[in-house]
Amino acid sequence: NAGVTQTPKFQVLKTGQSMTLQCAQDMNHEYMSWYRQDPGMGLRLIHYSVGAGITDQGEVPNGYNVSRSTTEDFPLRLLSAAPSQTSVYFCASSRFWGGYSNQPQHFGDGTRLSIL
Amino acid sequence: TQLLEQSPQFLSIQEGENLTVYCNSSSVFSSLQWYRQEPGEGPVLLVTVVTGGEVKKLKRLTFQFGDARKDSSLHITAAQPGDTGLYLCAGAEGSQGNLIFGKGTKLSVKP
Repeated sequence: NAGVTQTPKFQVLKTGQSMTLQCAQDMNHEYMSWYRQDPGMGLRLIHYSVGAGITDQGEVPNGYNVSRSTTEDFPLRLLSAAPSQTSVYFCASSRFWGGYSNQPQHFGDGTRLSIL
Repeated sequence: TQLLEQSPQFLSIQEGENLTVYCNSSSVFSSLQWYRQEPGEGPVLLVTVVTGGEVKKLKRLTFQFGDARKDSSLHITAAQPGDTGLYLCAGAEGSQGNLIFGKGTKLSVKP
């Protein structure tokens, strides 16, 4: 049981390039999300999905795009990379969505992205 | 926008000492979670507290949810080097499922 798998673990891009960060979970979780973690800023929500075919914006969505065609996969696309997007990106999943569900978030080990 | 403020931001102590980390907000949360994150890894859930005034213990770690469900604390007794890491609190508000994370407390326990 792999949990949440993120690829790649490390990536260096040039300004203006595009790329897709992959996230897959094998726990049949309905809810998946993407966060970015920057020094002194904590974890900030980029986009989330409450099920296949349903996505919505989080706190910092600009410059990112997502889709959820299957329950298992939730890729994050950088449309035109900028140095401000240098960060560590975490994908997370949980069984249900909803504040009262108290479901734990299961995180991947992150993708460390540098934009030059 | 809801905010969760954690204090202290950094904490460096000797093995065997006790410590308390605080997580405060002006908003009411339906539940609050504590995570620990080690370098190069994603956060891992330690505990979820739901009821105002609730106290949960996990070995040497004691978690408390404030009576008004606006704040929480994590107390570690006799800290060990293995407790070193980034401690994050995260709150869920009402029907909104998305978690709001604090900025974290970076703990270093020296042998």
